[in-house]
Amino acid sequence: SQTIHQWPATLVQPVGSPLSLECTVEGTSNPNLYWYRQAAGRGLQLLFYSVGIGQISSEVPQNLSASRPQDRQFILSSKKLLLSDSGFYLCAWSQGLATDTQYFGPGTRLTVL
Amino acid sequence: KQEVTQIPAALSVPEGENLVLNCSFTDSAIYNLQWFRQDPGKGLTSLLLIQSSQREQTSGRLNASLDKSSGRSTLYIAASQPGDSATYLCAVRPQTSGSRLTFGEGTQLTVNP
Repeated sequence: SQTIHQWPATLVQPVGSPLSLECTVEGTSNPNLYWYRQAAGRGLQLLFYSVGIGQISSEVPQNLSASRPQDRQFILSSKKLLLSDSGFYLCAWSQGLATDTQYFGPGTRLTVL
Repeated sequence: KQEVTQIPAALSVPEGENLVLNCSFTDSAIYNLQWFRQDPGKGLTSLLLIQSSQREQTSGRLNASLDKSSGRSTLYIAASQPGDSATYLCAVRPQTSGSRLTFGEGTQLTVNP
């Protein structure tokens, strides 16, 4: 069966510090991968998605970047965090077809102080 | 641009009641619609996926319907239990956006014992 992992589970970082969140998927190959952010009182916002290694699409201009160094690894990064980057970050995967279910990881709670 | 709205934003019911959560979307050109459950501080759990060619899907006490032409979906929960308390999110996969999902902001459900 497939599983998706995210770490860390929680993170508190000062403004201006760098960020690296990691997501890995097990039990499948060549998945579509997604990063979402859920801010307090707001719905989920898609940040990035990837259909293959090194292929990243950005949905909104922002202070964040994403990379996919391996087939089942997706990394969310920032060089300098802003207060507005605080939120709940969720990674998800799907098998790559438009009709497929998206499966979500447990999330990372990021607080920028 | 696809927009997804969920009504009500919050709902509190006594245990045992049957209830309906509503989701509406502005563009009927979708591949599918998915209902998720989110417990506080947790990731999303997929409940039901309805393809655009389908009218409904059932899983246990849950039944989701889709009326694509009118841009509406409902999630019916039968004989609600306190364990059903969570936020319920619906999301559509627009045909114009590949495999990306557009989410509503959710309905926060509380089932009182």
